[in-house]
Amino acid sequence: NAGVTQTPKFRILKIGQSMTLQCTQDMNHNYMYWYRQDPGMGLKLIYYSVGAGITDKGEVPNGYNVSRSTTEDFPLRLELAAPSQTSVYFCASSYNPDRGKEQYFGPGTRLTVT
Amino acid sequence: AQTVTQSQPEMSVQEAETVTLSCTYDTSESDYYLFWYKQPPSRQMILVIRQEAYKQQNATENRFSVNFQKAAKSFSLKISDSQLGDAAMYFCAYRSARGGSQGNLIFGKGTKLSVKP
Repeated sequence: NAGVTQTPKFRILKIGQSMTLQCTQDMNHNYMYWYRQDPGMGLKLIYYSVGAGITDKGEVPNGYNVSRSTTEDFPLRLELAAPSQTSVYFCASSYNPDRGKEQYFGPGTRLTVT
Repeated sequence: AQTVTQSQPEMSVQEAETVTLSCTYDTSESDYYLFWYKQPPSRQMILVIRQEAYKQQNATENRFSVNFQKAAKSFSLKISDSQLGDAAMYFCAYRSARGGSQGNLIFGKGTKLSVKP
C-alpha cells in the first residue's frame, strides 16, 4: 500500500491564483481530512469527509473548497490565493475514528503565496 | 471546546538517556482518545502511541510510554534510551469519542526534541 499520497510536494503561487492540492489514499478509508500547519503551530482542520459525497467544514475553512467524488480522492481547492494561506498542508485518512483509530497522514504540501 | 497545551516548546536529551514530554488538555468529556505524533524533518506525521481514556493502564510501545493522569488531565510521553532518530517535533492530540466534527483531532503546538550524541 502507498498509504496517503499528496501532490505536489511544493508550490509557489501568486496572489489571486488558484490551485488544487491532490490527495489519494489506497486503504479504503471512509474518513479523510485536510489540515494546515503554520510555523510553530500544531495542525488545524480545514475540511473533512466521512465518505464519498459528504464533506463538512473544520476549524479554518475560509478560502478553501473540497469535494469527495470517490472513496480514494479528496482534493482541496484554493481559490484566489492569499499570503495568509502560506502553510504546509496535510491530508489524512482514517478507517474508523469513532473507535479512536489513528489517522494516517500524507507527506504534506508546502505552499507559498507571494 | 477542547484544548491541548504543550508547555515545552523545546527539549533536549543526551543519547541513551530518558526524556519526558508534557501535555495537558482541557475537556468536560469522560470518553476520549489521546495520541502522540512524531514529525521528523521529513514532515511526515507518524503515530507514536495512543491511549484510550477509559483504560487505566498506561500505553507502552517499545521505548515509548505514557503517564496518563485522567483527573489531572495530563498525558506525558516518556522516551527511554533516546536515539538520534528520535529527534523530531512531537505533537500531543486529543480526540473526542463522539462522532462527527466533535471527533476530529485537536493538536497542541508541539515540542521540538533534540538528541545530543
